[in-house]
Amino acid sequence: GAVVSQHPSRVICKSGTSVKIECRSLDFQATTMFWYRQFPKQSLMLMATSNEGSKATYEQGVEKDKFLINHASLTLSTLTVTSAHPEDSSFYICSASLGSKNIQYFGAGTRLSVL
Amino acid sequence: DAKTTQPNSMESNEEEPVHLPCNHSTISGTDYIHWYRQLPSQGPEYVIHGLTSNVNNRMASLAIAEDRKSSTLILHRATLRDAAVYYCILRVYSGGGADGLTFGKGTHLIIQP
Repeated sequence: GAVVSQHPSRVICKSGTSVKIECRSLDFQATTMFWYRQFPKQSLMLMATSNEGSKATYEQGVEKDKFLINHASLTLSTLTVTSAHPEDSSFYICSASLGSKNIQYFGAGTRLSVL
Repeated sequence: DAKTTQPNSMESNEEEPVHLPCNHSTISGTDYIHWYRQLPSQGPEYVIHGLTSNVNNRMASLAIAEDRKSSTLILHRATLRDAAVYYCILRVYSGGGADGLTFGKGTHLIIQP
């Protein structure tokens, strides 16, 4: 099956710093990738859709200036959490869609802890 | 995406079959039924999907009611590694670009040794 790699798996940072998370499709090209966020004991929430070569589409309530998304190639999308604060601490997960059936393949997730 | 309803949790014994139900009474004719699961501290994993006919793959089987208003994910012989949250999601194939998934609360499957 398709493999999506996410890095880093865990990051701890100080409040006010920025953190970049990478999402790579290892064995296929993905024109569209997705970023989700999951708080403890809750389900995944779609944050944004990342489109190769164009601007990302953000879900309602997600600040585009805080969560910067870059999708510069068909195999890499990055999410940068700018000026992170403790309330941004969460589990961030990316996915990429493959094939006509819109099956999504997910990365292993990045656990962000902001001190 | 149309709404789905799943039990919050289910418990089963190891090496026994597990039947995970999903109700989707407002399903439309173009909705496919997808199942994903999320193991603890990991990203979700695709399990299976179907439209009208029952489906089998190496991970599970999907039984779809004749009126398509409900479906059941079947794990034929559960192992401890099947302990996860299972999500039933309806997807529309519009022929356009891919869309993000809308996750409900899913069913937390507990496997007892």
